[in-house]
Amino acid sequence: KAGVTQTPRYLIKTRGQQVTLSCSPISGHRSVSWYQQTPGQGLQFLFEYFSETQRNKGNFPGRFSGRQFSNSRSEMNVSTLELGDSALYLCASSLVLPYEQYFGPGTRLTVT
Amino acid sequence: DQQVKQNSPSLSVQEGRISILNCDYTNSMFDYFLWYKKYPAEGPTFLISISSIKDKNEDGRFTVFLNKSAKHLSLHIVPSQPGDSAVYFCAAGDGTSYGKLTFGQGTILTVHP
Repeated sequence: KAGVTQTPRYLIKTRGQQVTLSCSPISGHRSVSWYQQTPGQGLQFLFEYFSETQRNKGNFPGRFSGRQFSNSRSEMNVSTLELGDSALYLCASSLVLPYEQYFGPGTRLTVT
Repeated sequence: DQQVKQNSPSLSVQEGRISILNCDYTNSMFDYFLWYKKYPAEGPTFLISISSIKDKNEDGRFTVFLNKSAKHLSLHIVPSQPGDSAVYFCAAGDGTSYGKLTFGQGTILTVHP
C-alpha cells in the first residue's frame, strides 16, 4: 500500500501571501490530521477531518483552515502568511483506530 | 502547559546495549500512548503503541511500559543498533479529542557502533 503523500515537499512564500498544501491519505483511511512542527513548539495539532467534516481543531488562528474531499484527500490553507508560519507541515491518516496515525513526509514551508 | 514531556533531550548508547527513552504526562484523560521515530526531513514513523488498560506491549526489539499511577511511560530498545539513531517522540491521545495526538519534545538517540 502506498503511504501518505504530501505535495509540494518544499515551498517558499512571501509574507502576506497565501498557500495551499495537499495530502493524500493511505487508501482506505478516512481520518486525516494536520500538524505543524517548529523547533520552538515541537509538533502541534492543527485540525482533523473525517468524512469531509472537521471534528477537531487546535489552537491556531483562523488564518489556518482546511478541508477534506469525498475521496478523503485533504488540503490545508494558510492565508496572510507571517514569518512565524515557517515550519514543517505534516499530514497523518488513520483507519479505524483514531490514534495510530501514519505520517507523510511533510511540506517544508519557508516564509520570507 | 506541556502535557507530554520528554525530559532528556538526548541519549547516547553503545550498539548492542539497551536504550531506554522516558516520557511523562499530566493529563489523566489520555488513554492511548504511542512512540514515533523521526529522521531529519521525513515524517514521524509509527513504532509501537499501548492502551491505558495495559502496562506493557512488545513488538520485536521494542517494548513500551506504562505506569499509570506515575503517569510515566518508557520505550525499551533491545539490542540497540546504529540504524536506531533518530529522534524519538512519545505521543498521547484521548477518546474525546478526535484525531489529536499530543507530542513530547523528542529525544535524540545516538547508537554508537
